[in-house]
Amino acid sequence: AQSVTQLGSHVSVSEGALVLLRCNYSSSVPPYLFWYVQYPNQGLQLLLKYTSAATLVKGINGFEAEFKKSETSFHLTKPSAHMSDAAEYFCAVTEYTGNQFYFGTGTSLTVIP
Amino acid sequence: SQTIHQWPATLVQPVGSPLSLECTVEGTSNPNLYWYRQAAGRGLQLLFYSVGIGQISSEVPQNLSASRPQDRQFILSSKKLLLSDSGFYLCAWSLAGGYNEQFFGPGTRLTVL
Repeated sequence: AQSVTQLGSHVSVSEGALVLLRCNYSSSVPPYLFWYVQYPNQGLQLLLKYTSAATLVKGINGFEAEFKKSETSFHLTKPSAHMSDAAEYFCAVTEYTGNQFYFGTGTSLTVIP
Repeated sequence: SQTIHQWPATLVQPVGSPLSLECTVEGTSNPNLYWYRQAAGRGLQLLFYSVGIGQISSEVPQNLSASRPQDRQFILSSKKLLLSDSGFYLCAWSLAGGYNEQFFGPGTRLTVL
């Protein structure tokens, strides 16, 4: 069975500070992992994905995530937060033979000016 | 390039009325198609997915149904809406093979009164 846990439903950071959004997964086979961003009243937009290649994955808008098998984690980071980063972020897991994603419950990021 | 459309963008319906939400994808063939619901302040709940015309998998038993009458058309329906059906409905597509990233439409905001 697959699942994703996002620790912290709400995270606040100051503008210019490090952004760290946590994601831990559970999967019985090598996973494929994704981070999505959702702005209010919009659909989800793919930030980055891990598909068993490099463990450090770079995405759009300056975000990156590192796959750590030993910790079953795929945390999302950005060195310096911008006001425009305020949004809801979702982590998702699937596997090679699957037909569906399993999403976390999301983390709402607030950026304080 | 591929695009995904959803309509209507917003909908206000009385309890007990029927529902039809439509999703279409352009620029690809034989995609996997998905319907999700997002209740206020909640994560994404997978409702239905389809890997081909006429092939529908239901993830949550409820008063909603889905159909795929054409390769790139996915319809979400209800004969009688409940208050609990209110939410943000998202359609998504991916290339065949569940490990591929999903691309989301802009969503439909449904309010049942």
